[in-house]
This record gives sequence, structure tokens and C-alpha cells, in this order.
Amino acid sequence: GAVVSQHPSRVICKSGTSVKIECRSLDFQATTMFWYRQFPKQSLMLMATSNEGSKATYEQGVEKDKFLINHASLTLSTLTVTSAHPEDSSFYICSARGPSGGQETQYFGPGTRLLVL
Amino acid sequence: AQSVAQPEDQVNVAEGNPLTVKCTYSVSGNPYLFWYVQYPNRGLQFLLKYITGDNLVKGSYGFEAEFNKSQTSFHLKKPSALVSDSALYFCAVRGYNFNKFYFGSGTKLNVKP
Repeated sequence: GAVVSQHPSRVICKSGTSVKIECRSLDFQATTMFWYRQFPKQSLMLMATSNEGSKATYEQGVEKDKFLINHASLTLSTLTVTSAHPEDSSFYICSARGPSGGQETQYFGPGTRLLVL
Repeated sequence: AQSVAQPEDQVNVAEGNPLTVKCTYSVSGNPYLFWYVQYPNRGLQFLLKYITGDNLVKGSYGFEAEFNKSQTSFHLKKPSALVSDSALYFCAVRGYNFNKFYFGSGTKLNVKP
């Protein structure tokens, strides 16, 4: 199946700093990637849809200036949490729409655990 | 509106016994349905999907799911559970908007030796 990686897997930062999370499709090109946030013992919440070469589409209630998304290539999308605060601590998961022939499926990265002190 | 419901927060089953994790859906048009599994501190792994065709869909690790249009259900099943199947399972439906997936609340499966 299609493989999606995320880096870093875990990050601890001080309040007020910015954190960048990378999402890569390893063996296929992904024109569309998705960023989710998951709180403990809860389901995934879609934050935004990232489209290669264009602006991301944010879900209602998600601050686009706080969660900057850049989809600069067909295999890489980045999420930057700007001026992070403790309430931004969460598990962030990206996914990519599958390769040709399987685009109806989303393939997920392993997630990034963010802890803001 | 698109939505998915997983009525059970937790399912307990003994190793070797059959397991069922329930999912019902509400969708406009033909549903695209998915099951994913999540192990602790990991992302979601794709198990199986229903797009069209046979109502019984076979997926990874011996799992299967049955699409029932009249009951709007897509229950996940396995004939013989393993302790290693213990994890969090999510049902999802792809919305009318091609991009969006709508996830259920998740069901924690506990398989006891």
C-alpha cells in the first residue's frame, strides 16, 4: 500500500515558539494531503486540506494564520504551528489521497505528538 | 449530511472468538466506506473499503466487513480474534465532497488471552 511518513514523531517546545511538521508520500505523488488533529481518546478532526501548488482549505474554526500549511511539491506538505501554546498540544496526523487507481482511499502518516510547555 | 456512528466505545472479546465492531452511516448518494485501525501513538492503518460490488469486503489481517444498505451498516468482523488485534478502530465515510472523510468516534477493541 501507499506509504506516508511524518517528521518529527514527537516534539516538545516552549510556549511562543513555532513548530514545523512534515508529511511525505514516499512512493507515490499526492496532489492532495490532509491534516488532522486528534485529542486523547477522541476521533480525528480535519483541520485543513492541502493542495499542491495552491492555498490550503481550512475547516471552520481552524485559524489559518496559526496553522500554516505549505504543499510545495507532489510529495511534501508541511504544517507549521506558529506561536504555539499549551492548548495546541495534541497528536497531529496527516494523510494523503492514494495514488492513481486508489484515490478514494486516504493513507495516513504515523502522527506527530506535540507538547507545548 | 454525512455521518458515521460507532455505538460501542469498547468491545471485549476472548482470543479465538469471533469479533464484531459496529458502524452505521448516513450519507447522500452511494457510500464509500472505510475501516482503519490505530495502535497507541500511531497513525491510522487502512484495513478495508467498500466502494461497490460484493457486500462482503475482505481486508488486511483477516478482517472483513459487511455492507448492508437496508440497515445502513458496515460492521467490521473477524472469525477468530487475536490479542494483537487489540487497538482502536475507526469507521469512516467519504463525503459528497471528494476530499472529506467523516470518522466515527472510534471503538476500542480488547482481546483477552
